[in-house]
Amino acid sequence: SQTIHQWPATLVQPVGSPLSLECTVEGTSNPNLYWYRQAAGRGLQLLFYSVGIGQISSEVPQNLSASRPQDRQFILSSKKLLLSDSGFYLCAWSVTGGSNQPQHFGDGTRLSIL
Amino acid sequence: RKEVEQDPGPFNVPEGATVAFNCTYSNSASQSFFWYRQDCRKEPKLLMSVYSSGNEDGRFTAQLNRASQYISLLIRDSKLSDSATYLCVVGGVTGGFKTIFGAGTRLFVKA
Repeated sequence: SQTIHQWPATLVQPVGSPLSLECTVEGTSNPNLYWYRQAAGRGLQLLFYSVGIGQISSEVPQNLSASRPQDRQFILSSKKLLLSDSGFYLCAWSVTGGSNQPQHFGDGTRLSIL
Repeated sequence: RKEVEQDPGPFNVPEGATVAFNCTYSNSASQSFFWYRQDCRKEPKLLMSVYSSGNEDGRFTAQLNRASQYISLLIRDSKLSDSATYLCVVGGVTGGFKTIFGAGTRLFVKA
């Protein structure tokens, strides 16, 4: 069966510090991968999605970036965090084939910026 | 107009009640529809896919009306454990990979 791992679960970072969140998927090949952010009490905002190694699409302009160095690895990064980057970051995967397939989420990373 | 709109909620219902969640979507080319459940401070989890013919899974029934661009979720005989936020999700626009999540409707089921 497929599993998705996301870490760390909780992170507290100062403003201006760098960020690296990692997500890996097991039990499937060539998945679509997604990064979302959820602000407190709000809906999910799609940040990036990837349909293959090195292929990243950005949905919103921001100081975040994403990379997919391996088929089942998706990384979310920032060089300098802003206060507004606080939130619940979720990685998700779906089988190949556009958005007709449901997405499955990792446990999420709760990021607080001080 | 938002791409996916849900009842703002919250809904407060007693155990055993029947609850209906409504959702509308703006893109008539959408092909796939889902309901997710999200517990407080947890990740969303797939509850059920929604098919054109409607589908049922135990106490949960989902309906799709393409003409009205409307999706519904019905929970019968609600349990305390049904308390969560229910997210309407729309995707599958031809050639696209974006899936749009509604803001969610919070449900509180009380004894």
